[in-house]
Amino acid sequence: RKEVEQDPGPFNVPEGATVAFNCTYSNSASQSFFWYRQDCRKEPKLLMSVYSSGNEDGRFTAQLNRASQYISLLIRDSKLSDSATYLCVGLSRGGGNKLTFGTGTQLKVEL
Amino acid sequence: DTGVSQDPRHKITKRGQNVTFRCDPISEHNRLYWYRQTLGQGPEFLTYFQNEAQLEKSRLLSDRFSAERPKGSFSTLEIQRTEQGDSAMYLCASSLVQGYGYTFGSGTRLTVV
Repeated sequence: RKEVEQDPGPFNVPEGATVAFNCTYSNSASQSFFWYRQDCRKEPKLLMSVYSSGNEDGRFTAQLNRASQYISLLIRDSKLSDSATYLCVGLSRGGGNKLTFGTGTQLKVEL
Repeated sequence: DTGVSQDPRHKITKRGQNVTFRCDPISEHNRLYWYRQTLGQGPEFLTYFQNEAQLEKSRLLSDRFSAERPKGSFSTLEIQRTEQGDSAMYLCASSLVQGYGYTFGSGTRLTVV
């Protein structure tokens, strides 16, 4: 079983829709979590950190549930420019701050 | 440009050849990481350095792979006797020891034919 699991999609949604991505993790050594965005053939870029209390950045809301080992990302009012792959990522503080990536969920926002 | 730079951006090589990639991290970052990403997968950790010391290597890093960071600044990743399965995007990232603010380079895309 992978340490971080995501539905690969693709999620095809119309512009303006709300879309939610989920992620589960199995390694309790991961102490911090993030969502990264990766455009086609580009490097991953940090979208936002994920906290148990939940955090919001504009149209994006992320939530961590440590009891269920579950992470979510909600995108409201989707834009064409949101089309990308969204990677769920865990960071293990011990041993060099290595990142463990999920396979990514592909989002396509359509007119 | 003060980001992480990788060279070359693309490399096509014949099976069995050796290839070497270079990464220049952000100058004040003392940690440097190499990841590999194959099609349809997320990046996977290969190895990391703290200054010039290589502190961890993944089991993904076979004997054909070697990485160095001789002066604690730039790093090289060499693959000997390349195989088609080595075709991937090789990503370099750097960070400070105290923080987890990773910065990724644009990657080197390797195609083994």
